[in-house]
Amino acid sequence: SDELAQPPSVSVSPGETATITCVADVLANQYTYWYQHKPGQAPIEVIYRDKERPSGIPDRFSGSTSGTKATLTIRAVQAEDEADYYCQTADSSGNFYVFGTGTRVTVL
Amino acid sequence: EVKLVESGGAVVQPGESLKLSCVVSGLKFEDFAFHWVRQAPGRGLEWVSLINWGTGDKYYADSVKGRFTISRDDSRGSLFLQLNSLRNEDTALYYCARAGTGNNWGGFDSWGQGTPVNVSS
Repeated sequence: SDELAQPPSVSVSPGETATITCVADVLANQYTYWYQHKPGQAPIEVIYRDKERPSGIPDRFSGSTSGTKATLTIRAVQAEDEADYYCQTADSSGNFYVFGTGTRVTVL
Repeated sequence: EVKLVESGGAVVQPGESLKLSCVVSGLKFEDFAFHWVRQAPGRGLEWVSLINWGTGDKYYADSVKGRFTISRDDSRGSLFLQLNSLRNEDTALYYCARAGTGNNWGGFDSWGQGTPVNVSS
């Protein structure tokens, strides 16, 4: 199965933009989903179907894809955005799933 | 409000068994598919298993296939994961999650807080 490769860490100052990438061949044909995971809390879906935002997610979170690479962008980063972020996809049958390696976003 | 609450995690020895439960409220349980996802200490999220609604078809990650069994009891709004032949590498926080529907099909749109499993001799 494909591994979804993410950078281990991203550091950003408050108010700046954080960009997290997720790369795998399967992403050329399947949707990408993104989750925010803070220590001791349940993960939260922040992007579905590449670029859609669930209700309640601030519009500073956005997603995009190009070929085999998906990108999560967090604009005007706030201290509360400090967390681990994971991309995720499913195979074409929707019966098997895989998460990315995860990216820790640190707000300086 | 949709709520998922896991329980059943424990400290066990290698080779032993354990059954995890997840009680779901705030929705019509029988209309949804559910997953188990785990996170080992210091590691990322790993998908474990899926059970569909209706047919109850079940799917597993290669790392647990043949050892873990997912099940559901629609009358009780509950999801289960039977863990057999446990190994040290199964040590993790186990989450249940609701499968996304409609435009969010393929995602995980609600999660529990997790229940810890520690396999240690």
